[in-house]
Amino acid sequence: QKEVEQNSGPLSVPEGAIASLNCTYSDRGSQSFFWYRQYSGKSPELIMSIYSNGDKEDGRFTAQLNKASQYVSLLIRDSQPSDSATYLCAVNRGNTPLVFGKGTRLSVIA
Amino acid sequence: DVKVTQSSRYLVKRTGEKVFLECVQDMDHENMFWYRQDPGLGLRLIYFSYDVKMKEKGDIPEGYSVSREKKERFSLILESASTNQTSMYLCASSSGTLSGANVLTFGAGSRLTVL
Repeated sequence: QKEVEQNSGPLSVPEGAIASLNCTYSDRGSQSFFWYRQYSGKSPELIMSIYSNGDKEDGRFTAQLNKASQYVSLLIRDSQPSDSATYLCAVNRGNTPLVFGKGTRLSVIA
Repeated sequence: DVKVTQSSRYLVKRTGEKVFLECVQDMDHENMFWYRQDPGLGLRLIYFSYDVKMKEKGDIPEGYSVSREKKERFSLILESASTNQTSMYLCASSSGTLSGANVLTFGAGSRLTVL
């Protein structure tokens, strides 16, 4: 059974701080890694993807991947109250559907 | 604006009823998916389809069936609704390209309550 594990939170950070969201996965053959954001009452939307070890930056967001440790993380710099949402980690192995984690709820306190 | 449209936002059904949840996408996507989302359980894949007339079971297909007669439409069917199928149902689609297959566009969701 392929598993993607996330701390459910809530993770509370003050406005302007760095929020660090973590995810581990069990399938060592996983090739693609994604972060989706879901606001309360809304549907998930893709915010980041990463495919190779290291860091990938997009604005205030940085995704980090360490395949040896089977670990992927999302850093949000200069956190804003509008970043308050549930963040879903998702992985897959080639041409198979995404496996989602249960999500981490982030609360940014103004 | 491209969209995945789910026909019903809220439904209330009785135990034993047959329930149809409709999903239509206007992006000419090859791939379509049905998930259910429950508190504490996250997103769980029910069925998916990579082509017209094609369907594959996901992680929790029991009690559900699907139909994909046209590329743009993917229907989820609850043959005999039960109370444990009360949930938020999310339809999603993605392109069949290597780069786009994991970029899921979700519909707004259908919240089903089975009494």
